[in-house]
Amino acid sequence: EAGVTQSPTHLIKTRGQQATLRCSPISGHTSVYWYQQALGLGLQFLLWYDEGEERNRGNFPPRFSGRQFPNYSSELNVNALELEDSALYLCASSFQHLTNYGYTFGSGTRLTVV
Amino acid sequence: DAKTTQPTSMDCAEGRAANLPCNHSTISGNEYVYWYRQIHSQGPQYIIHGLKNNETNEMASLIITEDRKSSTLILPHATLRDTAVYYCIVRVVDDYKLSFGAGTTVTVRA
Repeated sequence: EAGVTQSPTHLIKTRGQQATLRCSPISGHTSVYWYQQALGLGLQFLLWYDEGEERNRGNFPPRFSGRQFPNYSSELNVNALELEDSALYLCASSFQHLTNYGYTFGSGTRLTVV
Repeated sequence: DAKTTQPTSMDCAEGRAANLPCNHSTISGNEYVYWYRQIHSQGPQYIIHGLKNNETNEMASLIITEDRKSSTLILPHATLRDTAVYYCIVRVVDDYKLSFGAGTTVTVRA
C-alpha cells in the first residue's frame, strides 16, 4: 500500500511569489492535514480538510490556503511568499478523523524562499 | 500548547534498551498518550499509544504510571536507525490535531 505522497520534494521560490504543494493521501483516507515545520519552531498545525471541506485551520494568515479534491488529494497554496515561510511542509492523512492511531505523515516538501 | 515535558536529548548505546521519559501531569481522563518519532528530514512516524494500560508492539513498549502523570517509551534493542527526535503527545482520541512539543533527540551510538 502506498503511503502519503507529497510533491515536489523541494521547491525554491522568490519572495512575493506563490507556491503550490501537493499531497496524495493513503487510499481510503478522507482527511488530510497540513503542518509546517520551520527551523527551531517545531511542527505547527496549518489546515485540516475532510470530505472536500476545510474543517479547521491553525494560527496562520489567510495567504495560506488550500483545497481538497474529490479524490481526496489536497493542495496547499502559499501566496505572497515571505522569507519566514521557508520550512518543511508535511501532509498527513487519516480515515475520517476518528482514528486511534493519529495519522500517517508523508515525507514533506522543503520550501525555500529566497 | 504542548502538555508534555521531555528531556531535550539523550544518548543510548547500540543494542541496549532506550528508556524515554515523558511527564504529562495535567492529563485528562479521556486523553491518550501517543509517541511519534521523526528521523531527520522525514515526516513523523507513529510508534505507539495508550490510555492507562501498558502497551507493546513490534517497535516499542509504553509504560504508563498508575496515576497517568508520566510515561516511558522503551525501545528494547536500540539500533543506529533509531536515532531520531521522539515526541510524546497527549490527545483526545478523536481530536483532529496533534500538538507537537520539542521532543527528545535520541542519538544511538555504536
